[in-house]
Order: sequence, then structure tokens, then C-alpha cells
Amino acid sequence: NAGVTQTPKFQVLKTGQSMTLQCAQDMNHEYMSWYRQDPGMGLRLIHYSVGAGITDQGEVPNGYNVSRSTTEDFPLRLLSAAPSQTSVYFCASSFNGVGSKVYEQYFGPGTRLTVT
Amino acid sequence: RKEVEQDPGPFNVPEGATVAFNCTYSNSASQSFFWYRQDCRKEPKLLMSVYSSGNEDGRFTAQLNRASQYISLLIRDSKLSDSATYLCVVTLRGDYGQNFVFGPGTRLSVLP
Repeated sequence: NAGVTQTPKFQVLKTGQSMTLQCAQDMNHEYMSWYRQDPGMGLRLIHYSVGAGITDQGEVPNGYNVSRSTTEDFPLRLLSAAPSQTSVYFCASSFNGVGSKVYEQYFGPGTRLTVT
Repeated sequence: RKEVEQDPGPFNVPEGATVAFNCTYSNSASQSFFWYRQDCRKEPKLLMSVYSSGNEDGRFTAQLNRASQYISLLIRDSKLSDSATYLCVVTLRGDYGQNFVFGPGTRLSVLP
């Protein structure tokens, strides 16, 4: 198993450019999510999905779009990059618990994005 | 107020020391609790789940006090390899599933 993979590892964008961060998992997990990590802020949830065709917003969704057409893939799109989106982006996946059951989230290695 | 708050750190301790991390959470609807570990410039990885009865995994002990909305992590006999940032995590139910809410982390450096 490759686990959770993310591409690219590093990216530099100019303000106003768009791009897609890729995330894939091979563990047949229903739940996938995107976080951003900024110094002193911890990881903050951007968007999440519990299966193909089902996505929802997290704490900081503005400026980002997601879609989930397959179980394996959950891309994150930056529509018009801004310097405030400079961050480290992590994708994570897990089984989706029923009721109060919660499963461990597995994280990808991260994408370091700089917007100039 | 942040949903999850942790000791600001960093903690610098000698090898063999015992170190305790504290975490508080603001939402009483939080359902599950974890400690994750994050090495420098790496992804977070699960260290241990936290249960109301308290739980131990080798040198690591986690405690949860739901009434006080407080979580702790104790590391005994610190090793150099314990140097990392420790993230306190609670879960809150979203519209479709349980979402993880992370604290800002506390950095630990174990010194030789």
C-alpha cells in the first residue's frame, strides 16, 4: 500500500494563478480531508468528503474548491491564488465511523505552497 | 477562543526526564480524543487515542477529564527520538462525519 500520496511536494505560484493539489489513497477509505498548517495555528480543516459525490466545507473553505468523483482521489483546487494561501497543505483519509466511532486519520506527506 | 488549546512550549528536557503536556478543549460536544506526533517538516502520525479511563502505551500515558474538558499526555524516561511536536486532537460531528480539530501543538526537544 502506498497509503496517502500528494503531489506536488513543492509549488510556487504567482498571485492570481490557479492550480490543483492532488491527493490519492489506496486504503478504500470513505473519509478524505484537506488541511492547511500555518505556524502557531495548528492544522485547520478546509474541506472534507465522506464518499464520491459528497463534500462539505470545513473551517477555512474560502478560495478552495473540491470534488470527489472516485473513492481514491480528492483534489483541492485553488481558484485564484493569494499570498494568504501560502501554507503547508496536508491531505488525510480514514474509514468513516458510524455514530460516535472515530477512526485514525492517515496523512500524506504534504505540499508546501508559496504564493508570491 | 480557540477550540483546542495546548501548552505553548517549547519544552526542552534532558534524556530520562518525565514531561507532561496539557490540552483543553472548548466544545463539550467533542466526542473522541487523540494525541498525534509530528516530526519536523513531516506529516502528523497517530501517537495514541485517549479514553476517559486513561490509557498507557509503554512510556506514554494519556488522560481525559470530560468534566474539566482537559486532556494530558505524560512521557516517562524521555528519549532523544521523542523530540517532535505533539498535537492534541478532538473530534466534532460535522454534517457527514466526525471532523478532527487540532490544537496548535507543543514542541518537545529532548537533549543529550
